[in-house]
Amino acid sequence: AQSVAQPEDQVNVAEGNPLTVKCTYSVSGNPYLFWYVQYPNRGLQFLLKYITGDNLVKGSYGFEAEFNKSQTSFHLKKPSALVSDSALYFCAGYGNNRLAFGKGNQVVVIP
Amino acid sequence: GAGVSQTPSNKVTEKGKYVELRCDPISGHTALYWYRQSLGQGPEFLIYFQGTGAADDSGLPNDRFFAVRPEGSVSTLKIQRTERGDSAVYLCASSLKGTTEAFFGQGTRLTVV
Repeated sequence: AQSVAQPEDQVNVAEGNPLTVKCTYSVSGNPYLFWYVQYPNRGLQFLLKYITGDNLVKGSYGFEAEFNKSQTSFHLKKPSALVSDSALYFCAGYGNNRLAFGKGNQVVVIP
Repeated sequence: GAGVSQTPSNKVTEKGKYVELRCDPISGHTALYWYRQSLGQGPEFLIYFQGTGAADDSGLPNDRFFAVRPEGSVSTLKIQRTERGDSAVYLCASSLKGTTEAFFGQGTRLTVV
């Protein structure tokens, strides 16, 4: 079974500053980890995933995530945040034919 | 369309009524999932289809909830005797067999009054 935790409720960041959204995981076996973004009144959009291989995963819209086995973390990052990045971000782990989502983080990018 | 389509986008129903929510997956995707997202929470797994059969329905909260996928494509989530606690956004997703990347629809917002 896989579970993830997103410890923060909201992340505020100034436009142009680095953005980090935190996620930690707890798994039995190899972790399959994902990040999704949800804009208002829209469905979940896939950003990136880690299955195996390089610890630094690059995804859509300039996002990347770093898999850290020793810290059991999979934090989402973007070097320079845009106002349009303001949305709800979900970390998820895959196992037993399903995604197990965290509670989500609201990201607010301040102009 | 190219994506997962869900209808209706919004549904308001009275407590005790029966509702059906429809999901049209991406063509060729044999795996189909239903999730429920309550306000302020992440999506929670309901049921998983591989082809026509429900391979895992362990997430359905009780026997008022049922889902079908008779021809291995479109799926319908059925809720009997709706309760106010059923109010949520119901999300459908599909994926290719053997892959982990699921593509989500925009969801159906169900409000039980």
